[in-house]
Amino acid sequence: ETGVTQTPRHLVMGMTNKKSLKCEQHLGHNAMYWYKQSAKKPLELMFVYNFKEQTENNSVPSRFSPECPNSSHLFLHLHTLQPEDSALYLCASSLGAPQGANYGYTFGSGTRLTVV
Amino acid sequence: AQKVTQAQTEISVVEKEDVTLDCVYETRDTTYYLFWYKQPPSGELVFLIRRNSFDEQNEISGRYSWNFQKSTSSFNFTITASQVVDSAVYFCALSEAKRMDSNYQLIWGAGTKLIIKP
Repeated sequence: ETGVTQTPRHLVMGMTNKKSLKCEQHLGHNAMYWYKQSAKKPLELMFVYNFKEQTENNSVPSRFSPECPNSSHLFLHLHTLQPEDSALYLCASSLGAPQGANYGYTFGSGTRLTVV
Repeated sequence: AQKVTQAQTEISVVEKEDVTLDCVYETRDTTYYLFWYKQPPSGELVFLIRRNSFDEQNEISGRYSWNFQKSTSSFNFTITASQVVDSAVYFCALSEAKRMDSNYQLIWGAGTKLIIKP
């Protein structure tokens, strides 16, 4: 157990479905991140939240919608996804901005998403 | 521009061999941090080491060692007497502030897949 918990571990969804990924940490961190990891591609940063405020959105399509109700919880709401969105979605947390990342991230185990 | 290069896509060695994973970085910052993470088949990225730019001492942790050389902008990782459990994807990362008023984030290399054969 890393301290960052992601659920579900695996998800298969149709292109018309709506689902949500959940991430939870109780490490006292104030920054949380969503990453996408596709086969044979580098880690792609999707969203960054600091103290519940979204500070980065790296040109992510609107079919991905993040939500951060508090510093301990992060969601990624999914709707009308495409097959190319199939990937491992990783959540991470760190100390807060601006220099929290200098101390490294703690990652969850990821959600393996398959869009059919 | 800040960048991390892991030129070795995949390395395969036989158990008990030593293996070095290369990491070369580019940054305009004078103060920065470098990291190595391990990603086993289970998926989560596991933190291995953090090194700041002012500390060029090499570090050893059991069978793992890291060689940081600012002169060549490299932060290489060596596993001595490799074991099957070392099989994983290893990522090198660099912290950077994308803009002066922005937060620091990690810039990731593409990863090196390490296969240790019994």
